[in-house]
Amino acid sequence: GAVVSQHPSWVICKSGTSVKIECRSLDFQATTMFWYRQFPKQSLMLMATSNEGSKATYEQGVEKDKFLINHASLTLSTLTVTSAHPEDSSFYICSASGREGLGDTQYFGPGTRLTVL
Amino acid sequence: QKEVEQDPGPLSVPEGAIVSLNCTYSNSAFQYFMWYRQYSRKGPELLMYTYSSGNKEDGRFTAQVDKSSKYISLFIRDSQPSDSATYLCAMKWGGSEKLVFGKGTKLTVNP
Repeated sequence: GAVVSQHPSWVICKSGTSVKIECRSLDFQATTMFWYRQFPKQSLMLMATSNEGSKATYEQGVEKDKFLINHASLTLSTLTVTSAHPEDSSFYICSASGREGLGDTQYFGPGTRLTVL
Repeated sequence: QKEVEQDPGPLSVPEGAIVSLNCTYSNSAFQYFMWYRQYSRKGPELLMYTYSSGNKEDGRFTAQVDKSSKYISLFIRDSQPSDSATYLCAMKWGGSEKLVFGKGTKLTVNP
């Protein structure tokens, strides 16, 4: 149980284009979803927290207009990187919490590797 | 001083060894403690989740929490090459949704 999927697992795009990443909780309803960014050999950096049906809360320094987050349902959240540039290349990981019976720890997806050319 | 300190290693051990991974923290408000395992180019996988002082065992893994010393540990018995990964400690306080992570310790178990 507590499976979180992400799609796509990797994506290459041209500079200036937008990329959408999906995060799904497959076997539980996620009241809260989180989006992280991870650079090589570094720990996870929280970008934003989203609750179903409400606006995401962004961490300081994260541009909300560049990283659009939509939490449309209790099983789906999307992150759209708008007008991507090479410096946006990174490993993006989502997590979800709210699994019944196990408190509210976070379960992570497998991650999406974004390369912007 | 960072909220959570974790030695990044790298740590290299022979197969079958007992591995000890540790984190210290400064915020006494932390109540929930987790250990995640992350393989290269993958998302973190929850290994252990505890919310009280003491030990919790799951197979070859034992999580230990000492709130008085603000110190948590993860022990791996009979380590296997498949245990080679980065281990992240994480913690949170009650009522908060956010996790505070250590930097992660890279472990290599040599056959």
